[in-house]
Amino acid sequence: EAQVTQNPRYLITVTGKKLTVTCSQNMNHEYMSWYRQDPGLGLRQIYYSMNVEVTDKGDVPEGYKVSRKEKRNFPLILESPSPNQTSLYFCASRRTGLNNQPQHFGDGTRLSIL
Amino acid sequence: DQQVKQNSPSLSVQEGRISILNCDYTNSMFDYFLWYKKYPAEGPTFLISISSIKDKNEDGRFTVFLNKSAKHLSLHIVPSQPGDSAVYFCAAPDNTNFGNEKLTFGTGTRLTIIP
Repeated sequence: EAQVTQNPRYLITVTGKKLTVTCSQNMNHEYMSWYRQDPGLGLRQIYYSMNVEVTDKGDVPEGYKVSRKEKRNFPLILESPSPNQTSLYFCASRRTGLNNQPQHFGDGTRLSIL
Repeated sequence: DQQVKQNSPSLSVQEGRISILNCDYTNSMFDYFLWYKKYPAEGPTFLISISSIKDKNEDGRFTVFLNKSAKHLSLHIVPSQPGDSAVYFCAAPDNTNFGNEKLTFGTGTRLTIIP
């Protein structure tokens, strides 16, 4: 089954304790992206990756890091989480090389930073 | 600046009737639009899309209409079914940075189908 898998699905942690949210896709997609969803703001892009070892900032990258060492994985790293990073996070992937391909989303990770 | 707007946070429709969800956009460079459906505790699922070279795209019970001059699109669901109850997001790829195709999302409309 084609899917984007995120882990963990839920996490409550404390300010300053480094955490990593993993994202893996099994569709051999080149493009991957992280979004956060906040009430009244819709989904906003944090970082994206066009392929292995190619990453760049989205609209709200502050406080986050990513890496793309393998095509299937795109982890999101919070080195020193703060309460304003409490949010619902989605990873997405899509195939490139063809126009107008939809992005496929994982089921989300709800982070609470106390 | 919200480039994609969904002005109705919620909508209730009787089962079997037509559901119409609306979306407005401000960026005239958008040339492709998508609708996503989201159930609680799940990620957005792609539903239907439309290219700016068309004014209508139909897939089963779902039809999307695009009015470029008004910068408006709408999603019609006929007939509405209880399983259609979800949050619907309108989205458009922003290709300002070549290759990124960042999706710009509206804030969503919660559709409730009343049995």
